[in-house]
Amino acid sequence: EAGVTQFPSHSVIEKGQTVTLRCDPISGHDNLYWYRRVMGKEIKFLLHFVKESKQDESGMPNNRFLAERTGGTYSTLKVQPAELEDSGVYFCASSLRPGGVHEQFFGPGTRLTVL
Amino acid sequence: AQSVTQPDIHITVSEGASLELRCNYSYGATPYLFWYVQSPGQGLQLLLKYFSGDTLVQGIKGFEAEFKRSQSSFNLRKPSVHWSDAAEYFCAVGAGNTGFQKLVFGTGTRLLVSP
Repeated sequence: EAGVTQFPSHSVIEKGQTVTLRCDPISGHDNLYWYRRVMGKEIKFLLHFVKESKQDESGMPNNRFLAERTGGTYSTLKVQPAELEDSGVYFCASSLRPGGVHEQFFGPGTRLTVL
Repeated sequence: AQSVTQPDIHITVSEGASLELRCNYSYGATPYLFWYVQSPGQGLQLLLKYFSGDTLVQGIKGFEAEFKRSQSSFNLRKPSVHWSDAAEYFCAVGAGNTGFQKLVFGTGTRLLVSP
């Protein structure tokens, strides 16, 4: 069974540019989460999809971030325009169901550097 | 609000020695607690979890953790560390409505294993 995959693994962009990160969850997992780790800080929740619907987007930093999940399969996270403070590692996770005992499976992350 | 504290940023342990990584949490209700490990180039992997019942939880790779409600702690232990255990370890608490929907992480502890 393939795990959670993320693309690209690394991205280096200039301030003001646009970047789109992609996450492919484990097949059959309706729940998809985005997290971010800024260097030296904790991993922070960004948002949670259930299928194609946003269940909780309370962690999204501002309106420069747009997350989508087309058809309830893969998800994209777009940052437009990127700022220096957006640098960090963006993790995607998926789970079969929310809540309770259902483990979140994490991808390897996308390291974003904004210059 | 929920929070997790991992007071040790780095820990160095000799191979074969015992290990204890500290984790303290703040959460109003009965917490769902997790330990994840991230090896270089890998995603976060779940080591173990606590939801209820026996407060001593066994996980993969020979790890265990003990939930102590009176101390709001969930420390991770291993009796004999192997060089392959060198990684970054994250403690997390599940938070949200209807069970949990997201994970709140600590800042992580990087484990170095000396020969």
